[in-house]
Amino acid sequence: RKEVEQDPGPFNVPEGATVAFNCTYSNSASQSFFWYRQDCRKEPKLLMSVYSSGNEDGRFTAQLNRASQYISLLIRDSKLSDSATYLCVVINTNAGKSTFGDGTTLTVKP
Amino acid sequence: DAGITQSPRHKVTETGTPVTLRCHQTENHRYMYWYRQDPGHGLRLIHYSYGVKDTDKGEVSDGYSVSRSKTEDFLLTLESATSSQTSVYFCAISGTPSTDTQYFGPGTRLTVL
Repeated sequence: RKEVEQDPGPFNVPEGATVAFNCTYSNSASQSFFWYRQDCRKEPKLLMSVYSSGNEDGRFTAQLNRASQYISLLIRDSKLSDSATYLCVVINTNAGKSTFGDGTTLTVKP
Repeated sequence: DAGITQSPRHKVTETGTPVTLRCHQTENHRYMYWYRQDPGHGLRLIHYSYGVKDTDKGEVSDGYSVSRSKTEDFLLTLESATSSQTSVYFCAISGTPSTDTQYFGPGTRLTVL
């Protein structure tokens, strides 16, 4: 079993739809969490951090569920430009180790 | 965007030849990382550095070596390239290894024939 798992998708949604991705992690000692966005043939770029209390940035909401060991990313009112692969990152601070999920691919269609 | 460059951006080489990839940063960040990204495997850590001349192995370090003689440069060397090392290689930097986010360079596409 991988330390960090994501549904690879692809998720195909129409413009304006709401879509949610989950990312599960196995190491309960994990302490920091992030979502990255990666466009085709480009480098991953930070989308947002994930806090226990949940956080929102415009149309994007990230949440952490420590009890069930997963993080989520919600995208509201999807735009064509949201089409990308979304990577979750789980960090074990004590070990100084970052583990990336394999990514979830989103395609937003007109 | 963070000041990270990688060179070369594309390279085709033959099996058995040595290859060196360079990562250069202008952010003065202490930590630097080399990842490879392959379909079905996501990003996997090859080596990382926590300071000048301080490096350590990641999960897929076999066949790779690194060096960091200056804060701004982190080199990845494939001593004798193999076809299994065909991949996209990303360099990343961070201020700390834990809570700080990592910023990635544009990547190097390496093909080993």
